[in-house]
Amino acid sequence: TQLLEQSPQFLSIQEGENLTVYCNSSSVFSSLQWYRQEPGEGPVLLVTVVTGGEVKKLKRLTFQFGDARKDSSLHITAAQPGDTGLYLCAGGSANAGKSTFGDGTTLTVKP
Amino acid sequence: GAGVSQSPSNKVTEKGKDVELRCDPISGHTALYWYRQRLGQGLEFLIYFQGNSAPDKSGLPSDRFSAERTGESVSTLTIQRTQQEDSAVYLCASSRFRVGRSPLHFGNGTRLTVT
Repeated sequence: TQLLEQSPQFLSIQEGENLTVYCNSSSVFSSLQWYRQEPGEGPVLLVTVVTGGEVKKLKRLTFQFGDARKDSSLHITAAQPGDTGLYLCAGGSANAGKSTFGDGTTLTVKP
Repeated sequence: GAGVSQSPSNKVTEKGKDVELRCDPISGHTALYWYRQRLGQGLEFLIYFQGNSAPDKSGLPSDRFSAERTGESVSTLTIQRTQQEDSAVYLCASSRFRVGRSPLHFGNGTRLTVT
């Protein structure tokens, strides 16, 4: 069974601060996705990373895939209240039809 | 439609009753998934359909849970003899190809409350 562990589970920060959330596994994934979910809605894809060591930037968000394709991080610069939500990582494997999801990081950015 | 549609958005039922949840995937998406999400937690895989292949039912928690999909269209998730621990949000997602090659597109879920 492939497991993904996310940390921290909860994070509450002030507007303008930086933060990093982590997604770790002992398994290798062919791709890894980060999703953001707001209350009452389904998760929405932020990014997909597929190459070990890959770094992708989406405005103030920076995503990195570990060299061994077992872990990933999401860094947010100058967080804003609109970044508040549940951040989920999900790993895909070429052999498994389903994505494995972490338990998520609940981020609250206070104005 | 443009996105994944789920109905009903909310369902309150009495313990012991059967419920049926519906998912309309994005047109042309061959893969369809059902996940369960308890309050404040991550997503628990339930079942996966890929084209005409046999579904992966490995995540269904008990034989009270079943799901069907006709071709590459609508899917229904049925929970028989509901229990209070079944209360959760049930999320449906579709993807154009098998996961790992394309991302999941989620509906807004059905919030099930068993009283």
